[in-house]
Amino acid sequence: QQQVKQSPQSLIVQKGGISIINCAYENTAFDYFPWYQQFPGKGPALLIAIRPDVSEKKEGRFTISFNKSAKQFSLHIMDSQPGDSATYFCAAPSSNDYKLSFGAGTTVTVRA
Amino acid sequence: DAGVTQSPTHLIKTRGQQVTLRCSPKSGHDTVSWYQQALGQGPQFIFQYYEEEERQRGNFPDRFSGHQFPNYSSELNVNALLLGDSALYLCASSLGDSDTGELFFGEGSRLTVL
Repeated sequence: QQQVKQSPQSLIVQKGGISIINCAYENTAFDYFPWYQQFPGKGPALLIAIRPDVSEKKEGRFTISFNKSAKQFSLHIMDSQPGDSATYFCAAPSSNDYKLSFGAGTTVTVRA
Repeated sequence: DAGVTQSPTHLIKTRGQQVTLRCSPKSGHDTVSWYQQALGQGPQFIFQYYEEEERQRGNFPDRFSGHQFPNYSSELNVNALLLGDSALYLCASSLGDSDTGELFFGEGSRLTVL
């Protein structure tokens, strides 16, 4: 079963600062690495995803960086805003099928 | 465009009881996956249904079972409830022939077992 290791467990950042969350994975059946954002009382929602034919993908203030040889990828939140306060999950496909395995989550708190 | 809908949103059961949770996938989606999310944890894969068959299963006991109907909606059943089954149960829909694995989640059913 796919193991996805996510760190840190939580982080606090000042408004306007940069939040960085890291994930490491094992072997995967195919290359697709999403990040999900979850607010309290809500289900996770897809934030951004990368297919590693590129090493970086940027959407607005959110950037995924991918290192295939190290089997690691990270989420950068630039110019963090209080509305970004949420729990973020990385995910990776398993080694032999299509299901996604999730990291344990990182709770981000942005202080105004 | 309706997203993934789940019912009920909250429920309380006692140990040994049985529960059924329901899910309607996003319009156009034919695959439903169920996840269990314990407090402070990431979602854990229970199983996935496609074409009314269980296509994949995670490391959950046989007390957890499911069903998918011809309209692609799905049910999750849990028998002989244990205290440890208390969690948020998430349904996610996707396209069965998609290799992106992109999942669209509902808001979940919060199960409390007393």
